Amino acid sequence: GDSVTQMEGPVTLSEEAFLTINCTYTATGYPSLFWYVQYPGEGLQLLLKATKADDKGSNKGFEATYRKETTSFHLEKGSVQVSDSAVYFCALTAGAGNQFYFGTGTSLTVIP
Amino acid sequence: EAQVTQNPRYLITVTGKKLTVTCSQNMNHEYMSWYRQDPGLGLRQIYYSMNVEVTDKGDVPEGYKVSRKEKRNFPLILESPSPNQTSLYFCASSGFRKNNEQFFGPGTRLTVL
Repeated sequence: GDSVTQMEGPVTLSEEAFLTINCTYTATGYPSLFWYVQYPGEGLQLLLKATKADDKGSNKGFEATYRKETTSFHLEKGSVQVSDSAVYFCALTAGAGNQFYFGTGTSLTVIP
Repeated sequence: EAQVTQNPRYLITVTGKKLTVTCSQNMNHEYMSWYRQDPGLGLRQIYYSMNVEVTDKGDVPEGYKVSRKEKRNFPLILESPSPNQTSLYFCASSGFRKNNEQFFGPGTRLTVL
């Protein structure tokens, strides 16, 4: 069945460091891919998405490219800030009305 | 304000005492869903619904029931809660025209003693 695997955390970085959180997926067909962020004590918020191969999603300095050949959707940011400290989830769905699959989440802490 | 609301936000109960967690959205979304979040396991989908009177099981439906009698509401029912259902629960909704972006509620922390 469909699934998402993301790198385990926790990840601790200094402010202005480069961030990569790896995400790979298994899916039949052509899923849509997402990154969600969860700040402490809150629900999840959509960070970015990509709906087809080679699409790049971007938001708030974060980017991820839908790579069909490597079945990956790695999250990157060039310079992290303390305010980026949160848990990040990779997710996929096969399409409208279908089941969603989330990764286990990666906790990021950015220290000044 | 567009939002997904859940009630209650916190609940402590005892084994076997039926409970309902309500979920409501004001965005006219077709798709609604329930997840549970557990440490090390991420979010796992319990049930989802594509529209009124249409529901489907997710990965972990055992011990839960749902209903979708109205488009805006999607309650989660635990007929006989057990301690292994202690978790953080999220409701979410999305509209089919928005590339499936899901909007999440604030969460319900449930403890079953």
